[in-house]
Amino acid sequence: GQQVMQIPQYQHVQEGEDFTTYCNSSTTLSNIQWYKQRPGGHPVFLIQLVKSGEVKKQKRLTFQFGEAKKNSSLHITATQTTDVGTYFCAGDNQAGTALIFGKGTTLSVSS
Amino acid sequence: NAGVTQTPKFQVLKTGQSMTLQCAQDMNHNSMYWYRQDPGMGLRLIYYSASEGTTDKGEVPNGYNVSRLNKREFSLRLESAAPSQTSVYFCASSEAWGSEAFFGQGTRLTVV
Repeated sequence: GQQVMQIPQYQHVQEGEDFTTYCNSSTTLSNIQWYKQRPGGHPVFLIQLVKSGEVKKQKRLTFQFGEAKKNSSLHITATQTTDVGTYFCAGDNQAGTALIFGKGTTLSVSS
Repeated sequence: NAGVTQTPKFQVLKTGQSMTLQCAQDMNHNSMYWYRQDPGMGLRLIYYSASEGTTDKGEVPNGYNVSRLNKREFSLRLESAAPSQTSVYFCASSEAWGSEAFFGQGTRLTVV
């Protein structure tokens, strides 16, 4: 079946260091979404990428969608303790009717 | 504007008991979803409803049933709970397939 894979599963950084998480799909996606979940909370939408090769920025966060629309990345510049949480990518299922989530990358930041 | 509301927030069941998790959204969204979250497994889709009147199986539907009662409400039923169903359950909705999904606060279910 269709899979959306994320690496790494866990990442610990010192505050101020950069962080990147990668997402790969076994099938071509129509779009990809990114969510953040704080410890004990629920997933919250960050962004959606639709176009091949698309790059979007939100302050210190940079999101990319691969040319083949099968992979994506989230890069955080100069991490802060507020960035702590689990970051999920999500792509459409093969029927194109629901979101399939990756397993997430859990980021911890020490000051 | 409450968004997506799930009840209950916590529940403990004995093996074999049944229960229904309730979910309601007030954003007039067409699509609704049920996910379960287990450590190291991410969010796995149980069932979804792309529009009122339709429901479809997701990745892990066994042991569950759903009802799209109306456009606002989408319930998840466990007919005979098993310890393997211990998890955190999230309901979500989106205006249409592929658009931003809004999640409820989650239901923490323990089956003993």
